[in-house]
Amino acid sequence: GAVVSQHPSWVICKSGTSVKIECRSLDFQATTMFWYRQFPKQSLMLMATSNEGSKATYEQGVEKDKFLINHASLTLSTLTVTSAHPEDSSFYICSASLREGPRETQYFGPGTRLLVL
Amino acid sequence: AQSVAQPEDQVNVAEGNPLTVKCTYSVSGNPYLFWYVQYPNRGLQFLLKYITGDNLVKGSYGFEAEFNKSQTSFHLKKPSALVSDSALYFCAPPRKGSSNTGKLIFGQGTTLQVKP
Repeated sequence: GAVVSQHPSWVICKSGTSVKIECRSLDFQATTMFWYRQFPKQSLMLMATSNEGSKATYEQGVEKDKFLINHASLTLSTLTVTSAHPEDSSFYICSASLREGPRETQYFGPGTRLLVL
Repeated sequence: AQSVAQPEDQVNVAEGNPLTVKCTYSVSGNPYLFWYVQYPNRGLQFLLKYITGDNLVKGSYGFEAEFNKSQTSFHLKKPSALVSDSALYFCAPPRKGSSNTGKLIFGQGTTLQVKP
């Protein structure tokens, strides 16, 4: 149980194009999902909190118009990198919160590697 | 402020030997602590968590962690390391003020290298 998938697993695109990444909780419903990016040999940086049925909450310094988040259902959140540039190349990881007992546990997707040429 | 520290960038152990990956934390209130593992080019996998109760928590793949309130530590341990345990390990407490444990604090992580 508690499986989270991401699609695609990797993507290469040209500078200026937009890329959509999907995050799905396969066997549970998640009212809250999170999006992270990770640079090589570095830790995870939280980008935003995706809330089902409401606007995403972005961390300081993250451009909301650049990284569009849509949490359309209890099992799907999407991250769209708009007008991608080479500096957006990174490893993007999503997670979904599952309540287990008194607190929630985050379960992570396998990640999406984005390369912008 | 909430914070977490993993003092070792890398831990090297021989296969079959016990391993410890250290984590110390600074959180207000009752700590809720998680360990995750990241294999190369993969997302994070949940290993175990401490919420309340027994200080020794058992998790996936034979790992366990001991919560020590007086030392504010939550070290990850395994009695006998496997080469396949080689990965990046993160200790993560929740971010202060988060309404759920979704918002976690991630440190730099510790790379575990298990040599045959």
